[in-house]
Amino acid sequence: EAGVAQSPRYKIIEKRQSVAFWCNPISGHATLYWYQQILGQGPKLLIQFQNNGVVDDSQLPKDRFSAERLKGVDSTLKIQPAKLEDSAVYLCASSGKGPRRAEAFFGQGTRLTVV
Amino acid sequence: EDKVVQSPLSLVVHEGDTVTLNCSYEVTNFRSLLWYKQEKKAPTFLFMLTSSGIEKKSGRLSSILDKKELFSILNITATQTGDSAIYLCAVGRNYGQNFVFGPGTRLSVLP
Repeated sequence: EAGVAQSPRYKIIEKRQSVAFWCNPISGHATLYWYQQILGQGPKLLIQFQNNGVVDDSQLPKDRFSAERLKGVDSTLKIQPAKLEDSAVYLCASSGKGPRRAEAFFGQGTRLTVV
Repeated sequence: EDKVVQSPLSLVVHEGDTVTLNCSYEVTNFRSLLWYKQEKKAPTFLFMLTSSGIEKKSGRLSSILDKKELFSILNITATQTGDSAIYLCAVGRNYGQNFVFGPGTRLSVLP
């Protein structure tokens, strides 16, 4: 089966600019996650979707970050305006139904550098 | 606040050594514990543990969960340079069915 697709792979922007990341989960996976992984740390959940509804966005900095999953498939994560501390790898993951819902599959991530 | 702690944070061994990585957690509504290997960017799935005392094995890797003491270990025997990676422990929660990750253990296997 095809894996989780993310783009772009790398992005360098100046602070105060905006940026958007795209994710296409594994076909049929209802749950989609966006994680932020700062260098030297484990991934931190930003937002979780179940189909096109938000399940958990408690750690999303809503003053600058937004995410949507309009048709319950692809998702975009936006940062506007970016800050230096947003430099990180942004990982998208998806999980399926039944017993496999406990296992998340990750995309290759987008490495964001804010200068 | 839910928390996952891993130790050691960094480890350097030589090929052929056996290593044990530790993961302890304080999580409400525990559902599962997962181990991932992260070599470049994408974490790849290794094991999912839900029951205490049942060892999961895959080749030279094995893992076990103790739900009473709230920890898990990941063992790698006869390490190879290809085992060099960050090993992430994540705990799945029933609420929201999402995952809390630990900081990872960076393993370096020298030839």
